[in-house]
Amino acid sequence: DAKTTQPTSMDCAEGRAANLPCNHSTISGNEYVYWYRQIHSQGPQYIIHGLKNNETNEMASLIITEDRKSSTLILPHATLRDTAVYYCVVDSWGKLQFGAGTQVVVTP
Amino acid sequence: KAGVTQTPRYLIKTRGQQVTLSCSPISGHRSVSWYQQTPGQGLQFLFEYFSETQRNKGNFPGRFSGRQFSNSRSEMNVSTLELGDSALYLCASSLGDRAQPQHFGDGTRLSIL
Repeated sequence: DAKTTQPTSMDCAEGRAANLPCNHSTISGNEYVYWYRQIHSQGPQYIIHGLKNNETNEMASLIITEDRKSSTLILPHATLRDTAVYYCVVDSWGKLQFGAGTQVVVTP
Repeated sequence: KAGVTQTPRYLIKTRGQQVTLSCSPISGHRSVSWYQQTPGQGLQFLFEYFSETQRNKGNFPGRFSGRQFSNSRSEMNVSTLELGDSALYLCASSLGDRAQPQHFGDGTRLSIL
């Protein structure tokens, strides 16, 4: 099963862009990369996903390297409500493989 | 549109008992997956049901089982509870297509005494 590696924690200033890296060097060619975030006592919230191409939605942008071994989640303008644990996840035929996640703290 | 609903939110059991957790998916979703979240092991996949059939299974003992009904609602059962089964149990639903995201409920917090 593909594994993901993320920084344990990172801080971000309110209003600035947050760039969250993820390594998934063992990903297979047909496995999707998903990003979720989790705020304490709630279930993970879906953010964005992609296979090969870069993706953008109203929440974030996802940049996937050409070799697909790593990706970056970009939160364009971080707010205090973006403080959460962010998970980079590999979808292995419907089985989501979660890593340990990155604790992101947005400061005023 | 209502999200994924899990009941109960909190549950306390003792060792050796069994427990049943319930999950109502988003309307129209046919796939329901279950995950266990603990501080030590993080989020781990238990199993997935699609159209009342188990389609995928994680590496958990047979004490963990599930089923899905014709209306896509799902239940998870854990028998002969152990202290290590204390965890947040999360349910996620999706359309069932790999390109579609899974949406999670807020989970059932199970504590074993």
